[in-house]
Amino acid sequence: DAGITQSPRHKVTETGTPVTLRCHQTENHRYMYWYRQDPGHGLRLIHYSYGVKDTDKGEVSDGYSVSRSKTEDFLLTLESATSSQTSVYFCAIRTAQGTEAFFGQGTRLTVV
Amino acid sequence: DQQVKQNSPSLSVQEGRISILNCDYTNSMFDYFLWYKKYPAEGPTFLISISSIKDKNEDGRFTVFLNKSAKHLSLHIVPSQPGDSAVYFCAALTGANNLFFGTGTRLTVIP
Repeated sequence: DAGITQSPRHKVTETGTPVTLRCHQTENHRYMYWYRQDPGHGLRLIHYSYGVKDTDKGEVSDGYSVSRSKTEDFLLTLESATSSQTSVYFCAIRTAQGTEAFFGQGTRLTVV
Repeated sequence: DQQVKQNSPSLSVQEGRISILNCDYTNSMFDYFLWYKKYPAEGPTFLISISSIKDKNEDGRFTVFLNKSAKHLSLHIVPSQPGDSAVYFCAALTGANNLFFGTGTRLTVIP
């Protein structure tokens, strides 16, 4: 295990409600990523972080915001959840020198 | 617009034979290419990578080939085993540290 934990693992929420997913790492890796996995689309990058308070948008960032106030935590927030955000969300971490990223177990989010 | 593409959603191979998974990309600025394997209800796990300055990297049964002029890479698994049945994702890393993934190919190895 790469020391990366996602919470919650499963969540059902109603349309229009705010939702926050947490990614916690114990590896002190610099880079952290949020992806969503959907059939036919593979893994798409939502946002990533290259340090505390340093974040940038990915391919599918609309409707999502992120924050990284500590090295170990990267939060993904859906300000007002929509049914199109029903997905499996994965967090990944990577060292500054390394190439491979290590993934968490995923969070299955259902918006009803 | 998808910068990394896997055009075959699925592949079936007999046990012991070679599995070849393909990936195409559009961005010539990618620095590294990676392959990941994913089982259901688990996060993807890293398999093998290749630098953009190399054309081949081998690790046990897994070999990745890179053809920069064609913007194409492939993963060869020899010999294929039933435990290799999974979804395989191709990924590419930019100098800006974005890590982009393809849509995945589901490999089924038939015993």
